[in-house]
Amino acid sequence: EPEVTQTPSHQVTQMGQEVILRCVPISNHLYFYWYRQILGQKVEFLVSFYNNEISEKSEIFDDQFSVERPDGSNFTLKIRSTKLEDSAMYFCASEGQVSWSEQYFGPGTRLTVT
Amino acid sequence: AQTVTQSQPEMSVQEAETVTLSCTYDTSENNYYLFWYKQPPSRQMILVIRQEAYKQQNATENRFSVNFQKAAKSFSLKISDSQLGDTAMYFCAFMKHAGGSRLTFGEGTQLTVNP
Repeated sequence: EPEVTQTPSHQVTQMGQEVILRCVPISNHLYFYWYRQILGQKVEFLVSFYNNEISEKSEIFDDQFSVERPDGSNFTLKIRSTKLEDSAMYFCASEGQVSWSEQYFGPGTRLTVT
Repeated sequence: AQTVTQSQPEMSVQEAETVTLSCTYDTSENNYYLFWYKQPPSRQMILVIRQEAYKQQNATENRFSVNFQKAAKSFSLKISDSQLGDTAMYFCAFMKHAGGSRLTFGEGTQLTVNP
């Protein structure tokens, strides 16, 4: 069964450093998303991406964040200068024509900023 | 903006019994989608069940069923014959439309199934 994959599973970085979180969505899916979940809290939407551009972003998704689909298969989230409060689980999700409205989530990347 | 509220932070149930998790939401939309996601300790987000607002019939997936009350903006999840593997955090979520719409999640309910 197709699945969304994410790498790395865990990333530790120092405050102020740049990080890139990677996702491979399900092939033939058209919509891509990033969500984050601070430990013990609910899952929050960051951004959605369609047709090689951002279709919606939340207030969390400020200038420190960017997304890219560089090669038609990977979907990346970059945080330019990490802060302690960026420590969270980051989930990638994708949605496609076969199952509209069902967002399939990857296993997540746990980001720890020290 | 849509909001989703889960008023039960924690619940427990005995194995083989039935439990109901509550969710309410607020929206001005007439057509939308509602979901229950399960998050086990691995923190993977797993879709449990989906309900389209235009459908009057409540969705069912094996031991999982929902009670969707559109006028009351209520969307509860019933788990029958609870199993130890059902132990997880359960999130209720709202989506305005298919294709590119964000999911808005509730705060979650931690369900523990006791042997």
